[in-house]
Amino acid sequence: DTGVSQNPRHKITKRGQNVTFRCDPISEHNRLYWYRQTLGQGPEFLTYFQNEAQLEKSRLLSDRFSAERPKGSFSTLEIQRTEQGDSAMYLCASSSDFGQGTHTDTQYFGPGTRLTVL
Amino acid sequence: RKEVEQDPGPFNVPEGATVAFNCTYSNSASQSFFWYRQDCRKEPKLLMSVYSSGNEDGRFTAQLNRASQYISLLIRDSKLSDSATYLCVVNKENSSASKIIFGSGTRLSIRP
Repeated sequence: DTGVSQNPRHKITKRGQNVTFRCDPISEHNRLYWYRQTLGQGPEFLTYFQNEAQLEKSRLLSDRFSAERPKGSFSTLEIQRTEQGDSAMYLCASSSDFGQGTHTDTQYFGPGTRLTVL
Repeated sequence: RKEVEQDPGPFNVPEGATVAFNCTYSNSASQSFFWYRQDCRKEPKLLMSVYSSGNEDGRFTAQLNRASQYISLLIRDSKLSDSATYLCVVNKENSSASKIIFGSGTRLSIRP
């Protein structure tokens, strides 16, 4: 399967703990996005990488959240000192811009990591 | 007012019926539009882009009405497998990833 993969698929943690999620995009894709989705809502943008550079971050992304894409391939999203409000599905998507600067390319989503904070 | 609004549904229609739903957006300068499909507990997948002139892909037709600021999705001859949540996506500014806004989705249930 050469699609976007995410690990773990489920994570249950206690409030105050740190968690880290991993996303492996489609190999030739230079763009990588993180979203958060809660029940009954659409995905909300968190952050965007072009290769290894983190170019955009949402105001939703508090200082407890950090994301990296060190070699322009896989990415990690870490949440420190988790809170119950962090419980959500964290989705990763990747795409290729084919040299264009616009965000009109198809995003391919991974299956997500479902986080439950007790 | 939400930036992208959709009727949450659920729309419950019999197999073979035609169903349509709209999505309204608040920013008149929005530049690109898409419909994604999300099955229960699965990831979103692109269904189709929406072009100014309207576009069709098999049983699915998407339309854009810039004057009234909405996009629509029409599904003809609906199948049981069309049951899903349909997410409207609007990009307020094509050069920015953070301007990609997803609606909350419209649930569609096709009954035999």
